[in-house]
Amino acid sequence: AQSVTQLGSHVSVSEGALVLLRCNYSSSVPPYLFWYVQYPNQGLQLLLKYTSAATLVKGINGFEAEFKKSETSFHLTKPSAHMSDAAEYFCAVSYNTNAGKSTFGDGTTLTVKP
Amino acid sequence: ETGVTQSPTHLIKTRGQQVTLRCSSQSGHNTVSWYQQALGQGPQFIFQYYREEENGRGNFPPRFSGLQFPNYSSELNVNALELDDSALYLCASSLERRNTEAFFGQGTRLTVV
Repeated sequence: AQSVTQLGSHVSVSEGALVLLRCNYSSSVPPYLFWYVQYPNQGLQLLLKYTSAATLVKGINGFEAEFKKSETSFHLTKPSAHMSDAAEYFCAVSYNTNAGKSTFGDGTTLTVKP
Repeated sequence: ETGVTQSPTHLIKTRGQQVTLRCSSQSGHNTVSWYQQALGQGPQFIFQYYREEENGRGNFPPRFSGLQFPNYSSELNVNALELDDSALYLCASSLERRNTEAFFGQGTRLTVV
């Protein structure tokens, strides 16, 4: 069975500071891993994905994530936070090359302070 | 190219009633997945449809059912509504059953009173 754990339900950073959102996964087979962002009362937007190619993945809006198999982690980072980054972030895992059947973490709310 | 659209955006139902939610997949996508997102939680997989057939189901009771039509649009039906069914219901479409990306709609906010 696959599962996702997002450490820290709330993360607060100052504008311009490093953003680090943590995600650990468990999967019995090689995983596909995703980070999504959700703004209030909206659906999910894909930030980036790992699909067994390069372990360092770059996404939209300056975000990136590194797949570390030995640590079963896929943490999301951004060097410099912007006010517009304030949102809910979800890490998700899927297998069998089917992104539509994903298991999501409980999310991390990112607050950006001016 | 239009994205994934869901209707209605909001609705309120009474416990015990039935509800139908609709989803139009992105152009050319033949795979549709449905998720339930309760307040403060991540989305949970309900089921997926591929070319009008169910292609996997999550841990949801049979009163959650679905359909996919020849144009690949989809419906989610929930019978005998319970208070705990109050949630944001998300639809996601993919180009094929084997896919590396799913595109989400804006969701339908269902409130059961």
